[in-house]
Amino acid sequence: SQTIHQWPATLVQPVGSPLSLECTVEGTSNPNLYWYRQAAGRGLQLLFYSVGIGQISSEVPQNLSASRPQDRQFILSSKKLLLSDSGFYLCAWSPPRGADTQYFGPGTRLTVL
Amino acid sequence: GESVGLHLPTLSVQEGDNSIINCAYSNSASDYFIWYKQESGKGPQFIIDIRSNMDKRQGQRVTVLLNKTVKHLSLQIAATQPGDSAVYFCAEGRSSASKIIFGSGTRLSIRP
Repeated sequence: SQTIHQWPATLVQPVGSPLSLECTVEGTSNPNLYWYRQAAGRGLQLLFYSVGIGQISSEVPQNLSASRPQDRQFILSSKKLLLSDSGFYLCAWSPPRGADTQYFGPGTRLTVL
Repeated sequence: GESVGLHLPTLSVQEGDNSIINCAYSNSASDYFIWYKQESGKGPQFIIDIRSNMDKRQGQRVTVLLNKTVKHLSLQIAATQPGDSAVYFCAEGRSSASKIIFGSGTRLSIRP
């Protein structure tokens, strides 16, 4: 069966510091991968998605970036965090075809102080 | 469109009653729809999905209804239990696209 991992689970970072969040998927090949952000009490905002190694689509211009160095690894990064980057970051995967169910990881709670 | 910057509406239901959560989707070309449940501090969990060639699909205690004419989707939960307390999101997508669009979400609160 497929599993998706995210780490760290929680993170507290100062403004201006760098960020690296990691997501890995097991039990599937060539998945579509997604990064979402969720502010407290709000909906899901799609940040990036990837349909293959090195292929990244950005949905919202901001100071975040994403990379997919391996088939089942998706990384969210920032060179300098802003206060507004605080939130709950969720990684998801879906089968490598058109619109299909996305399966979410446990999320990373990021607080920027 | 994307569910950004919207506060969640709340539905309060008596324990044991049926719950109906509604969702209006935006794209008439969407042909795939999903309901997710998100408990506090956790990632969204798949509940049930439906393709546009159907108008009803049933799972365990849940039923999804699709009305393509008015672009409306609903999730019915039978005999609501305390464990059903969560935020529920609908999502829409197209077979030709790689992403899905989430609705704004509804918080389901259970009264004892």
